[in-house]
Amino acid sequence: DVKVTQSSRYLVKRTGEKVFLECVQDMDHENMFWYRQDPGLGLRLIYFSYDVKMKEKGDIPEGYSVSREKKERFSLILESASTNQTSMYLCASSLPGGDGNTIYFGEGSWLTVV
Amino acid sequence: GENVEQHPSTLSVQEGDSAVIKCTYSDSASNYFPWYKQELGKRPQLIIDIRSNVGEKKDQRIAVTLNKTAKHFSLHITETQPEDSAVYFCAAIYGNNRLAFGKGNQVVVIP
Repeated sequence: DVKVTQSSRYLVKRTGEKVFLECVQDMDHENMFWYRQDPGLGLRLIYFSYDVKMKEKGDIPEGYSVSREKKERFSLILESASTNQTSMYLCASSLPGGDGNTIYFGEGSWLTVV
Repeated sequence: GENVEQHPSTLSVQEGDSAVIKCTYSDSASNYFPWYKQELGKRPQLIIDIRSNVGEKKDQRIAVTLNKTAKHFSLHITETQPEDSAVYFCAAIYGNNRLAFGKGNQVVVIP
């Protein structure tokens, strides 16, 4: 059974703080993703990585960066948190390929920036 | 990139009736279309998917149809039950297994 684990479920941070959201998967998946979920806006891709140390911008990368030092771990970094980054963040992983491999999601991290 | 639109945004149905959610996509190269269900407070989970070489796929009470010419696909839930109440997301693949998601559809099954 695929497991994607987001270590922090609920966080409250102050404006300007640096925030790290960590994600670990145990299925040796090459692809890992960070999405942001907001009511009425669906799931929007922030960044994804298709290999260790590789990353590509998604649709809304501004204000975020990522780190993939190990295959199983993909971190989302908010360099200077702002209130408009209050949201639910979902990590996901999958096998690679353009034919469609199931994307598995973590439980989500609820971030509030005050 | 890919643009996926999903309608309606909210759907209420009586228990036992059918529910249909429609999605359209923009990239004619897309060949994989999954549907995810997200219950309140939980992660999105894959419930069914379809590839472009078939027009319909069924799994018990849920089915998905695909019209590649018109670039739309639909989720059909028959004999709805209270546990079907959730947000449903459609998606289309592009690039290296990247998915573009619709904005989601809140389905409410009224007992």
